[in-house]
Amino acid sequence: DGGITQSPKYLFRKEGQNVTLSCEQNLNHDAMYWYRQDPGQGLRLIYYSQIVNDFQKGDIAEGYSVSREKKESFPLTVTSAQKNPTAFYLCASSISLAGVLNEQYFGPGTRLTVT
Amino acid sequence: QQPVQSPQAVILREGEDAVINCSSSKALYSVHWYRQKHGEAPVFLMILLKGGEQKGHDKISASFNEKKQQSSLYLTASQLSYSGTYFCGTYGGATNKLIFGTGTLLAVQP
Repeated sequence: DGGITQSPKYLFRKEGQNVTLSCEQNLNHDAMYWYRQDPGQGLRLIYYSQIVNDFQKGDIAEGYSVSREKKESFPLTVTSAQKNPTAFYLCASSISLAGVLNEQYFGPGTRLTVT
Repeated sequence: QQPVQSPQAVILREGEDAVINCSSSKALYSVHWYRQKHGEAPVFLMILLKGGEQKGHDKISASFNEKKQQSSLYLTASQLSYSGTYFCGTYGGATNKLIFGTGTLLAVQP
């Protein structure tokens, strides 16, 4: 079955440590996205990528970094510079970036807790 | 820039109807609707395009008023499985980014 996998489901880290969240898709989609979800604030875009080796900052990119070395993979690193990293992180993909009829498919999410 | 959804929350009995609204301050090219169950991933419901084209769920209906920059999602004869948080995402065309609203929590009770 095609889909998006994120691992791990729950992640705990100490303040000051960098942490990398995994996102893999086997849908053969060109575009991939990372969102952060906090209670009452909906989904906010962190980074997005429309093609391998290319990515753009979203609305809240500070303190985060990404890479897109393979079409299937779009890992997100939460760095120690992110002031409030505890949140639910969702990865998504779509066939392409520019198509207005292209729905996004979401992974199950990673809940990160930093203490 | 973030679209505003209303109501913020609604409680229904099974079989009742509900309307969820999404309003933007910017001109829109398309509106996406997703539903998220607690602790799970959002699931695609529908896309409405400027000009009337639609793509999505056969059992979900929605409207898109381009002039008012508003979209409404209509949930009729609600079932327990309709419970969740509904998000609209608006696409203005210029930035290739989908901007999500803050969500509407829908709870359907027996």
